Amino acid sequence: ELKVEQNPLFLSMQEGKNYTIYCNYSTTSDRLYWYRQDPGKSLESLFVLLSNGAVKQEGRLMASLDTKARLSTLHITAAVHDLSATYFCAVAPRGNYKLTFGKGTLLTVNP
Amino acid sequence: GAGVSQSPSNKVTEKGKDVELRCDPISGHTALYWYRQRLGQGLEFLIYFQGNSAPDKSGLPSDRFSAERTGESVSTLTIQRTQQEDSAVYLCASSELAGGINEQYFGPGTRLTVT
Repeated sequence: ELKVEQNPLFLSMQEGKNYTIYCNYSTTSDRLYWYRQDPGKSLESLFVLLSNGAVKQEGRLMASLDTKARLSTLHITAAVHDLSATYFCAVAPRGNYKLTFGKGTLLTVNP
Repeated sequence: GAGVSQSPSNKVTEKGKDVELRCDPISGHTALYWYRQRLGQGLEFLIYFQGNSAPDKSGLPSDRFSAERTGESVSTLTIQRTQQEDSAVYLCASSELAGGINEQYFGPGTRLTVT
């Protein structure tokens, strides 16, 4: 059974600081997804990472994938309040459509 | 274009009643997924449709849960004899095809409360 672990589960940051969220998974995968969820809202797709060494950046967020280590990171640069949300990673095993989600990281950016 | 829509947005029901939750996927998306999100948790996969058939029902938690899809479009998730542990947000997603990049687009969810 595929397991996906995120850490930390809760993250309180000050504006302007940098931090990284980690996503470890337990089996071979060729697709990893990062989603953002605002309170009471649905999930918004942030990044799709498809290969070892893939790196994608959007604004203050950068995601990377190391398939050998079975690890993805979501790096936050110079955080701003608008980034406050819950961030989920999700993994699909190779050749499979089914996404398994981590428990999410609740990010709070304080002024 | 229109995204995934779900109805109702909120549903409060008494324990033991049946409920139906509806999902309208993005037009042209052949794959449709149902997930459940309990408070403070990640998403649990429930069922997947490719067209109108459901090759994977492995995530349905009990035989009280069923789902159907018609016309490669609308899907209905039915929960019979609801229990308090069924309280959760039920999210539907669709994608162009299962497999490949398979980027799933999520609807706003139905918040189900069983009293």
